[in-house]
Amino acid sequence: DADVTQTPRNRITKTGKRIMLECSQTKGHDRMYWYRQDPGLGLRLIYYSFDVKDINKGEISDGYSVSRQAQAKFSLSLESAIPNQTALYFCATSDPLGGPTDTQYFGPGTRLTVL
Amino acid sequence: GQNIDQPTEMTATEGAIVQINCTYQTSGFNGLFWYQQHAGEAPTFLSYNVLDGLEEKGRFSSFLSRSKGYSYLLLKELQMKDSASYLCAVRSHNTDKLIFGTGTRLQVFP
Repeated sequence: DADVTQTPRNRITKTGKRIMLECSQTKGHDRMYWYRQDPGLGLRLIYYSFDVKDINKGEISDGYSVSRQAQAKFSLSLESAIPNQTALYFCATSDPLGGPTDTQYFGPGTRLTVL
Repeated sequence: GQNIDQPTEMTATEGAIVQINCTYQTSGFNGLFWYQQHAGEAPTFLSYNVLDGLEEKGRFSSFLSRSKGYSYLLLKELQMKDSASYLCAVRSHNTDKLIFGTGTRLQVFP
């Protein structure tokens, strides 16, 4: 079983709709992250959470919100989707107590298309 | 601010050696990561450097020079399955977040 799962894997929606992307992990990690990836722009951090009560904005948080429902779950919402939010979205987790690297492990991604 | 540069694309031949360079500028450097990402898939962790020098893992090696703000990923005995994007990412001690470069797309030809 995958350690980091994302649902849905693919989603097509219309401008103005509210969308929620979900991320679950069984790695027991405290830290969770949401990124988006666009061709030529690389991975950009949207929001991150270092524990259940902690939420922080990343470099491109406008138009997005998040909820950390439990250690294992971190969801990303687009309140009113717009076409330039069409991208590949990745969730990641890490554990700073698991070793010196605090390596991030990525989910399989959600391909979102906003028409 | 932080900035990471790596070549956009590279090509190489099966069985050869390829070196992918990454230069960075950051405040409070606290580690450099290399990830591999096949098209449409999740990035997967390859290597981590925080001290100067070479880290070797099988066919892959990664080098870091903190004074030069420079790293490279060396891939030996290239295989077709090594065709992928290679992402360089730097962690800042100040924020504990990763900043990713735009990635280098490597194509391996027979």
